Amino acid sequence: NAGVMQNPRHLVRRRGQEARLRCSPMKGHSHVYWYRQLPEEGLKFMVYLQKENIIDESGMPKERFSAEFPKEGPSILRIQQVVRGDSAAYFCASSPPNSFNYGYTFGSGTRLTVV
Amino acid sequence: AQTVTQSQPEMSVQEAETVTLSCTYDTSESDYYLFWYKQPPSRQMILVIRQEAYKQQNATENRFSVNFQKAAKSFSLKISDSQLGDAAMYFCAYLSGNKLVFGAGTILRVKS
Repeated sequence: NAGVMQNPRHLVRRRGQEARLRCSPMKGHSHVYWYRQLPEEGLKFMVYLQKENIIDESGMPKERFSAEFPKEGPSILRIQQVVRGDSAAYFCASSPPNSFNYGYTFGSGTRLTVV
Repeated sequence: AQTVTQSQPEMSVQEAETVTLSCTYDTSESDYYLFWYKQPPSRQMILVIRQEAYKQQNATENRFSVNFQKAAKSFSLKISDSQLGDAAMYFCAYLSGNKLVFGAGTILRVKS
């Protein structure tokens, strides 16, 4: 079992460009979560998705950020027109249905640097 | 809203000794789950231990154990026989619905 796979591991974007972060959940996991970790801080919840559905996006900034988890393929976190404040580590996690209380499995994160 | 507080930004322990990392939380719920995650320099978030609030017995995983004080809303992590590989950032987390609320973390340094 390959675990939660995130790519790229590092991403550098210039201000104004778009960033696309990918996450493939563990086999058998249909629930995906995205978290953001700013420097010197803990992880902050962004969005919770199931296949083809956004369940909870209460942690997503209202503008420029979007997420999807299509029927086929990885979950994508998309940041449009990036700004320096978007520089952070973005983590994806997954869980089987109704098993999140056992703790998610996290990926290794994507470190986004905006220059 | 639930909050999680880790009051120790950094801790040090001698190899083979025991160290305790503190965590307090705020909630009005009676049934919930608490976790400790380890984040080594590789950045991978690794689940260390899990506690169910309705269980009075403290969770234990090998050298890792918790002191769960529900009334005090305290959830500390004890690491026994510390090893160099334990050096990492440790995060306490509370499960709110299906979202994890994390503390700011404690850096643990292990001295040889």
